Amino acid sequence: LLLQSAGGLVQPGGSLRLSCVASGYSFSTYAISWVRQAPGKGLEWVSTISGSGGNTDYAESVKGRFSISRDNSRNTLYLQMNSLRVEDTAMYYCATTYDTGFDPWGQGTLVTVSS
Amino acid sequence: DIQLTQSPSSLSASVGDRVTITCRASQDIRNDLGWYQQKPGKAPKRLIYATSSLQSGVPSRFSGSGSGTQFTLTISSLQPEDFATYYCLQHNSYPRTFGQGTKVEIK
Repeated sequence: LLLQSAGGLVQPGGSLRLSCVASGYSFSTYAISWVRQAPGKGLEWVSTISGSGGNTDYAESVKGRFSISRDNSRNTLYLQMNSLRVEDTAMYYCATTYDTGFDPWGQGTLVTVSS
Repeated sequence: DIQLTQSPSSLSASVGDRVTITCRASQDIRNDLGWYQQKPGKAPKRLIYATSSLQSGVPSRFSGSGSGTQFTLTISSLQPEDFATYYCLQHNSYPRTFGQGTKVEIK
């Protein structure tokens, strides 16, 4: 089970940190990712972090602005989002990540970037 | 980046119909493709991975086939709970990419 924090409204250029708490499995064993979905649009992979936290990867659209991290002692995944843009407005999902895809997914966190 | 193109973008079907959705990759991804179902207001759910492996708990009316650049999701007999949007995902390389989605509506 993946339980995500509440989202929020932030102004363009602002920052926000999302969190995702895992339970029911060995959190540190698996990679985990963020995937987002703009209103009325499709799914977009954002970032993945390995089980140990030593390896990360980002979509070009967020590279240099977003930072993924994890605290395995707290079974928690984070996404630090800086320099937010209007086009970052989306529902953000965390999802346990295998070589064969994403499962399960969190319930989603709505992030709105607007002035 | 690997581009995935789904067709059709939407379809209307009746309960009991056989439904087929296609996903074409811009380059050879072997059998590294999965399918996801998303209902309005809900998180996506994985149905199939590695082209044809059924996720635990998913009904057997769902099946997948293909290889290389052409893949298919088939629902053998559409049920009321299957009306949703379906996405393909390539898990061959990063960045992971999704198809644009296929919305299955009630006729």
